Amino acid sequence: ETGVTQSPTHLIKTRGQQVTLRCSSQSGHNTVSWYQQALGQGPQFIFQYYREEENGRGNFPPRFSGLQFPNYSSELNVNALELDDSALYLCASSGFDRGLNTEAFFGQGTRLTVV
Amino acid sequence: GESVGLHLPTLSVQEGDNSIINCAYSNSASDYFIWYKQESGKGPQFIIDIRSNMDKRQGQRVTVLLNKTVKHLSLQIAATQPGDSAVYFCAERRNAGNMLTFGGGTRLMVKP
Repeated sequence: ETGVTQSPTHLIKTRGQQVTLRCSSQSGHNTVSWYQQALGQGPQFIFQYYREEENGRGNFPPRFSGLQFPNYSSELNVNALELDDSALYLCASSGFDRGLNTEAFFGQGTRLTVV
Repeated sequence: GESVGLHLPTLSVQEGDNSIINCAYSNSASDYFIWYKQESGKGPQFIIDIRSNMDKRQGQRVTVLLNKTVKHLSLQIAATQPGDSAVYFCAERRNAGNMLTFGGGTRLMVKP
């Protein structure tokens, strides 16, 4: 086990709705990254948070947004859900020390189904 | 655009044999590479990593080889066991941040 926990594990939403996914990072890690993994594909980087600010973003529209809290936990929010948003959403935590990231540990993911 | 890809989508090996999973990358600016193992219903699990200033790194039963000339990465698993059955991803990471670019994955199936 990595110490990275995500909730909920499964979720079903209707197209057009909004969803919030949560992640608790591993103890001692100050950086959280979110990934989207469609079925049968590799994870795609959404964005990263470091010290409560966005620190890099992948090719995802603005309706994907996030937060990081003082305890380094994080939320991923998706507005106006589309059917193609159905995927496994992964959170990864890592440390950031002297300009370099330590290895990333992933949570078990949240399976989101949009109907 | 830059990408990390894999040569084979599925690899089937006999239990006890060695496995080799290959990966090609195209971004010469990447200086850090990681192999992850993902079992069904779980998140990716770190296996081993290698920096671009190395060409080989060994772990427990696993070895990663990096050939920067042809931009090729491989993962060797010795004495493959049924518990090694999973999807394996290579990923690249640039030094400035922790954005990982993953390939599409190779499914390893271990036959008893």
